Amino acid sequence: DSGVTQTPKHLITATGQRVTLRCSPRSGDLSVYWYQQSLDQGLQFLIQYYNGEERAKGNILERFSAQQFPDLHSELNLSSLELGDSALYFCASSVAPGQAGGTIYFGEGSWLTVV
Amino acid sequence: DAKTTQPNSMESNEEEPVHLPCNHSTISGTDYIHWYRQLPSQGPEYVIHGLTSNVNNRMASLAIAEDRKSSTLILHRATLRDAAVYYCILRESQRGNMLTFGGGTRLMVKP
Repeated sequence: DSGVTQTPKHLITATGQRVTLRCSPRSGDLSVYWYQQSLDQGLQFLIQYYNGEERAKGNILERFSAQQFPDLHSELNLSSLELGDSALYFCASSVAPGQAGGTIYFGEGSWLTVV
Repeated sequence: DAKTTQPNSMESNEEEPVHLPCNHSTISGTDYIHWYRQLPSQGPEYVIHGLTSNVNNRMASLAIAEDRKSSTLILHRATLRDAAVYYCILRESQRGNMLTFGGGTRLMVKP
């Protein structure tokens, strides 16, 4: 158990809909990362937050947005869903973003299926 | 981007040592070398990391070449539970310290 909690574990929704994925980081971790893993793209970095502020952005679509709340939990919002958005979405956390030698801990993932 | 090159797959026999290679010829002086692994249907899991010196922990050892252009993850006695995709990643200080995953090496362990 990494200490990173993601909900829901599984989600099935229709094209065009909107979903929210939730992540609670490990106790004491201030930085949250979101990754997408699909069969053809591998693990892709989406976005990173540190203490409520956006820190880095990766290959995140404009239809996707995220935020980190004062209690440090984070939500990833996916809207106007397409079949190609079906993937495993991982949340990860670390103590701080400025430590290249630090460890990042991953959650179990939220499996999204768009039908 | 500093990139890594790993074999797509490797096989090992149970209870034998495994050496997983990684090339990173464009590594910069401040890049840490991280190894993560992903078991089926699970999130990536930290294995080990290092900067210049060889490192050991309860899971594995990391051998880093003197010029830092390559490294090797060593599993001393492979078990069936070690079957996973192993990712060698350069953690880049200049890019917010996120992890950029490549294709990794799929390790198969035979009983």
